[in-house]
Amino acid sequence: AQKITQTQPGMFVQEKEAVTLDCTYDTSDPSYGLFWYKQPSSGEMIFLIYQGSYDQQNATEGRYSLNFQKARKSANLVISASQLGDSAMYFCAMSQITGTASKLTFGTGTRLQVTL
Amino acid sequence: AAGVIQSPRHLIKEKRETATLKCYPIPRHDTVYWYQQGPGQDPQFLISFYEKMQSDKGSIPDRFSAQQFSDYHSELNMSSLELGDSALYFCASSLGPGVSNQPQHFGDGTRLSIL
Repeated sequence: AQKITQTQPGMFVQEKEAVTLDCTYDTSDPSYGLFWYKQPSSGEMIFLIYQGSYDQQNATEGRYSLNFQKARKSANLVISASQLGDSAMYFCAMSQITGTASKLTFGTGTRLQVTL
Repeated sequence: AAGVIQSPRHLIKEKRETATLKCYPIPRHDTVYWYQQGPGQDPQFLISFYEKMQSDKGSIPDRFSAQQFSDYHSELNMSSLELGDSALYFCASSLGPGVSNQPQHFGDGTRLSIL
């Protein structure tokens, strides 16, 4: 069974600083995908970034980058130049192919608060 | 760009009533997923469909059923509602069968409250 662990229930970061949100995973599947989603207080789930298990390079999307260390089974999200609008809950998730689709298993999330 | 559309956004029901949640995936997306997120919890997978066929089933109660229609929209039917069913219900869609690297794009969710 797949498992995602996010050990930081809450994090604080000052505006314009960088912050790293931790995520470790456990799976026996050789092929998997790792995702980060942002959930603001309004509730919607926003896709941020994806990393494939066979990707050689770390994924980047604007201010978001994923620090993928396969041997350590970690997929940490780095947010550079934090903004007040980054305050939200962040979920790490792993995809698992089941049947003809891929379901996501989520971690428990990290609540990020950006301060002035 | 078009996103996943869910309706209604909010729904209030009483115990033992029924509810139907609707989901319209992103155009050309052929795979739909339903997730349930309880208060302060992470989303839990309920069920998925690919090309109108059920693909996988998670922790979905027997009181719930779902289907995907010919236009790819999906409906989650919930009966004999219980207080514990109060949650945020997400629909997500993606492109492609069983391709793990396709991101699932989520709708804004339906917030269901059971009184």
